[in-house]
Amino acid sequence: EAGVAQSPRYKIIEKRQSVAFWCNPISGHATLYWYQQILGQGPKLLIQFQNNGVVDDSQLPKDRFSAERLKGVDSTLKIQPAKLEDSAVYLCASSPHTTGSSYNSPLHFGNGTRLTVT
Amino acid sequence: AQSVTQLDSQVPVFEEAPVELRCNYSSSVSVYLFWYVQYPNQGLQLLLKYLSGSTLVESINGFEAEFNKSQTSFHLRKPSVHISDTAEYFCAVSDRGDYKLSFGAGTTVTVRA
Repeated sequence: EAGVAQSPRYKIIEKRQSVAFWCNPISGHATLYWYQQILGQGPKLLIQFQNNGVVDDSQLPKDRFSAERLKGVDSTLKIQPAKLEDSAVYLCASSPHTTGSSYNSPLHFGNGTRLTVT
Repeated sequence: AQSVTQLDSQVPVFEEAPVELRCNYSSSVSVYLFWYVQYPNQGLQLLLKYLSGSTLVESINGFEAEFNKSQTSFHLRKPSVHISDTAEYFCAVSDRGDYKLSFGAGTTVTVRA
């Protein structure tokens, strides 16, 4: 089984520029998550999709962050404009579960995209 | 959302010595509990999980964790560590039926010869 694919692995931009990250989840996984991991902290959930609908985006800074999951498969996360404090690793994860289903498999994480904003 | 506290940010340990990583969470409602490991420049990998049943869960590489509902804890232990166990370890919690993980800040384990 292929894992969660993310690209790019690294990105360096200047503040006020825009950037986009891409995620391809494990085939057949209904739920997709984007997490932000700032250095020295644990991952923080930004947004959760179930198929192509948003389940939870309460922690997403909507003035500058946006995400979409067209056709319920791949997802992109965009930041525009970037700030210094957006420097972090952005992790994508997927799960076969949907709300209300029984739980027997954990989240699968990609290797992340490391963003540096200068 | 759950709040997760990992009480130690750094744990240096000698090879073949035991290690314990402490984790406490905020709520006593029914939860799922996880430990993830992150090696340098890699994503998070599941180490072990507690969903229900026996409160002591084990991984294939010698780690174990015990769910203690009264103390809202899920501490991770290994009786004898290897150099290859050097990594960052994250405790995570989700409410049952939620599948949204709340993570602790992580514990960096450095194993020395």
